[in-house]
Amino acid sequence: AQSVAQPEDQVNVAEGNPLTVKCTYSVSGNPYLFWYVQYPNRGLQFLLKYITGDNLVKGSYGFEAEFNKSQTSFHLKKPSALVSDSALYFCAVEGRRAGSYQLTFGKGTKLSVIP
Amino acid sequence: SQTIHQWPATLVQPVGSPLSLECTVEGTSNPNLYWYRQAAGRGLQLLFYSVGIGQISSEVPQNLSASRPQDRQFILSSKKLLLSDSGFYLCAWRKEGPVTQYFGPGTRLLVL
Repeated sequence: AQSVAQPEDQVNVAEGNPLTVKCTYSVSGNPYLFWYVQYPNRGLQFLLKYITGDNLVKGSYGFEAEFNKSQTSFHLKKPSALVSDSALYFCAVEGRRAGSYQLTFGKGTKLSVIP
Repeated sequence: SQTIHQWPATLVQPVGSPLSLECTVEGTSNPNLYWYRQAAGRGLQLLFYSVGIGQISSEVPQNLSASRPQDRQFILSSKKLLLSDSGFYLCAWRKEGPVTQYFGPGTRLLVL
């Protein structure tokens, strides 16, 4: 069975500084990895995904993530944080169960960008 | 383009009352559909998923049930709500394969 760990419940970063939200995964076979963002009282919005190819994946709103197979990590990064980036971030790994593809989510990391 | 709708957006119900939450998807056919519950603004728990009309798989035993009467309609129900059913309910869809899953705006349910 696949699993995802987001070791930090909360990350605080000053506006303009680089940010990193950590994610590690466990899955048999090739990993399909995703990042989503959730603003208060809203659904999850897709940010980016890794299926295959380049280890550095670029996504929406200036975010990127680096796939590291040896460390089984898929950390989310942004060079310069904005106050508007403050939200809840979820990492997810794809797996196939009972004939259907399903996502397994981490517990989420709350990002606070301080002005 | 595809869109996913959920209603109602917010619902306050007494304990013991029935529940019906609706999710519909536009702009695609034969999607895989999912119901999640999110408690306390954190982790997502997969409740049900469906790969076709009338095909429902339950992930956890609970007070809830799901139905898929039409290709792009997914309904979450309960005959008698419990306090523990309170939470944020999210519907999602995707096509078959390792592709992106898209979420609806969610329904906030408060059981009193």
